[in-house]
Amino acid sequence: AQSVAQPEDQVKVAEGNPLTVKCTYSVSGNPYLFWYVQYPNRGLQFLLKYITGDNLVKGSYGFEAEFNKSQTSFHLKKPSALVSDSALYFCAVRPINTDKLIFGTGTRLQVFP
Amino acid sequence: DTAVSQTPKYLVTQMGNDKSIKCEQNLGHDTMYWYKQDSKKFLKIMFSYNNKELIINETVPNRFSPKSPDKAHLNLHINSLELGDSAVYFCASSLDLLSSGNTIYFGEGSWLTVV
Repeated sequence: AQSVAQPEDQVKVAEGNPLTVKCTYSVSGNPYLFWYVQYPNRGLQFLLKYITGDNLVKGSYGFEAEFNKSQTSFHLKKPSALVSDSALYFCAVRPINTDKLIFGTGTRLQVFP
Repeated sequence: DTAVSQTPKYLVTQMGNDKSIKCEQNLGHDTMYWYKQDSKKFLKIMFSYNNKELIINETVPNRFSPKSPDKAHLNLHINSLELGDSAVYFCASSLDLLSSGNTIYFGEGSWLTVV
């Protein structure tokens, strides 16, 4: 079955420190990969995506993600976390030959002062 | 200007009622979606439409009926509401089908509570 795993329900990091939110996937072929962020009582906001090309993708608000084909991972990173980054982060995958996104279960990021 | 807008944002209704959620996008996109987020924040696609044509119907009970009067609108009608229908329903759109690597843009969500 095709799936996306976000192994950490919650990530806590101090402001100013680097952060990583992990994502691994299990789909056939070369999928498209996405990260979204959801603030409380809000919709999902697009952060970045990997389609092809350079494995390091840069996105909104200083976030970046690295595609690793051999490890089937697409971890989200930011060099210096802000308190305002605290939110729920979703990794999503579009498998080949489908037109839907499969979402991970989400990781709650808490950045403390 | 809101790109994907849906109404109402909050809806509390009794079991057995029929309700609709409306969605409009002003991005000029051809494809629209409905996603459901349950109480555990799990997100799953329900429907997708491309140029008013149904593309994906993801084993959703037939009490849920999407309607796309034009490619800028995708409404969701729910008959005979059940307690388990309580969730957040997100409308979304993309330029075209995802096979082109297009990004999906989401609305702010409609919080449905069935009592």
